[in-house]
Amino acid sequence: NAGVMQNPRHLVRRRGQEARLRCSPMKGHSHVYWYRQLPEEGLKFMVYLQKENIIDESGMPKERFSAEFPKEGPSILRIQQVVRGDSAAYFCASSPISAISETQYFGPGTRLLVL
Amino acid sequence: AQKITQTQPGMFVQEKEAVTLDCTYDTSDPSYGLFWYKQPSSGEMIFLIYQGSYDQQNATEGRYSLNFQKARKSANLVISASQLGDSAMYFCAMREVTGNQFYFGTGTSLTVIP
Repeated sequence: NAGVMQNPRHLVRRRGQEARLRCSPMKGHSHVYWYRQLPEEGLKFMVYLQKENIIDESGMPKERFSAEFPKEGPSILRIQQVVRGDSAAYFCASSPISAISETQYFGPGTRLLVL
Repeated sequence: AQKITQTQPGMFVQEKEAVTLDCTYDTSDPSYGLFWYKQPSSGEMIFLIYQGSYDQQNATEGRYSLNFQKARKSANLVISASQLGDSAMYFCAMREVTGNQFYFGTGTSLTVIP
């Protein structure tokens, strides 16, 4: 029973390039969450999606960042025109339902480094 | 105000001893969930234990237990019989009934000394 998969595990981009981060939730999970972790900090919520719908994007920067979770395939977090401040670990989590008692299971993260 | 506060940036514990990692939270929601995660140096986030705000008893999972004091708004993690493999960052998190996200603290780095 595979856990949450994220790829790539490490991504290096130059300023101005695009970064695409992929997340495949656990089997049977239809709720996906993206978090960002800056060095020496806790995780910060970015966006919550269900299949084909963005439910809550209150933590997502208004520009350059977008997320999707299509009917088929993984969830994608896209960062356009990356800047050095985007360097961070990006975690995806999934859950079968959305409830306060429901644990979110995290993927291994994608470490983005912007040169 | 911070939703989750972890005041111990770093902790040391002797192998086989017990250790308590502090977590206080701030919410006005009547219902919420509290979680602890472990992040080893490899970077993944591992779920440890969950406590619901209406749970009457403190949660336990093997060597992990949660000391839940609702009136004080604290949810401390207790690790008994520490092992070398417990060395990691530990994050406290909360989910409110009115929201979708987890709020995370800044974490506590635990080092187990042989």
